[in-house]
Amino acid sequence: AQKVTQAQTEISVVEKEDVTLDCVYETRDTTYYLFWYKQPPSGELVFLIRRNSFDEQNEISGRYSWNFQKSTSSFNFTITASQVVDSAVYFCALRSNTGKLIFGQGTTLQVKP
Amino acid sequence: DVKVTQSSRYLVKRTGEKVFLECVQDMDHENMFWYRQDPGLGLRLIYFSYDVKMKEKGDIPEGYSVSREKKERFSLILESASTNQTSMYLCASSGGGTDTEAFFGQGTRLTVV
Repeated sequence: AQKVTQAQTEISVVEKEDVTLDCVYETRDTTYYLFWYKQPPSGELVFLIRRNSFDEQNEISGRYSWNFQKSTSSFNFTITASQVVDSAVYFCALRSNTGKLIFGQGTTLQVKP
Repeated sequence: DVKVTQSSRYLVKRTGEKVFLECVQDMDHENMFWYRQDPGLGLRLIYFSYDVKMKEKGDIPEGYSVSREKKERFSLILESASTNQTSMYLCASSGGGTDTEAFFGQGTRLTVV
């Protein structure tokens, strides 16, 4: 069975703090894909990053970075020097080799000025 | 730009009614998905379709059915709407490769009274 767990329901930080959003997944597939999406207050889901199961290289994009560790089945997302505009719900997702795409429960991030 | 369009932004229906939620994508994507989003539960997969007339149940298919007669259109059907189906419904589509991200519609807020 596939499962994505985002244990942090809500996180509140003050602007300029670093924050890490946790994501743990379960799958029996050897080939799979992991994603992060952002859902701002406007409601639309915005794609942030994709990672396949064979690529454990960490990735950095501006203030965003992602840490993928197969040994712990985790795909964590860090925002450095958070800003108010980062306030949103963030979803981690897992896609199997059959195409089925499932999401975690989401983490609501509030960045206070 | 990929465009996924859901037919209604808001719907109010009565208990027992048959409800159709329509979704159209314009990028010739093979895969299409229906999710419902509820606070604290994240996005839960109802059904997905990997080709015309092909479908697979997601995690919460009970009370729902789907139809995909044309590649660009994926319909979610509530045979007999109930109040516990009041929710935000999100449609998504993605390309045939399993490594491609999903693109989402704007969502339909369904209220069953």
